[in-house]
Amino acid sequence: GAGVSQSPRYKVAKRGQDVALRCDPISGHVSLFWYQQALGQGPEFLTYFQNEAQLDKSGLPSDRFFAERPEGSVSTLKIQRTQQEDSAVYLCASSLAQGRNEKLFFGSGTQLSVL
Amino acid sequence: DQQVKQNSPSLSVQEGRISILNCDYTNSMFDYFLWYKKYPAEGPTFLISISSIKDKNEDGRFTVFLNKSAKHLSLHIVPSQPGDSAVYFCAASLYKLSFGAGTTVTVRA
Repeated sequence: GAGVSQSPRYKVAKRGQDVALRCDPISGHVSLFWYQQALGQGPEFLTYFQNEAQLDKSGLPSDRFFAERPEGSVSTLKIQRTQQEDSAVYLCASSLAQGRNEKLFFGSGTQLSVL
Repeated sequence: DQQVKQNSPSLSVQEGRISILNCDYTNSMFDYFLWYKKYPAEGPTFLISISSIKDKNEDGRFTVFLNKSAKHLSLHIVPSQPGDSAVYFCAASLYKLSFGAGTTVTVRA
């Protein structure tokens, strides 16, 4: 596809439910990032992949959050036992190279609402 | 710990006039700075960037200025157009981006 694709676009979950958010990066992009954006705030870093390797997961807020990119392309962010504070927009971004100073291309995000 | 701050949550400007957005950062290790623009229900899109070895970068109506000693950057939009109405995020890079909270720009006709 032409851009970063995320699904679902919207997700409503009951507290305690597990959710899985999918990201299809731009084809050939090596780097993949997940960000969390709370209402009225800027995106906050969650985790970073270079191909299939998860090189930085320092932003994951708890062990309920798990991300994977097993074949170095599609990535899934999984949140177990969702809590109300998990409600946010989850943004995926990719970039072509693995070096520094590469601009990121963002998807439209998944808006998660936990009731 | 907010390493990138945008202290003006909103800005209203007349069409045709200049929009100036400001951003401050605390980490002197940042070496690359970017501005992203975001429309409702869309992801942020890249607007313009600047390396820490420069103090100015221009792209059409958009100019970014970097003052490293003050740890400050600004985005100038001249002239402002109605389509510029959006949320603008400042970001700073080590390899991952740290974002400010955003400034909502409204361009009045």
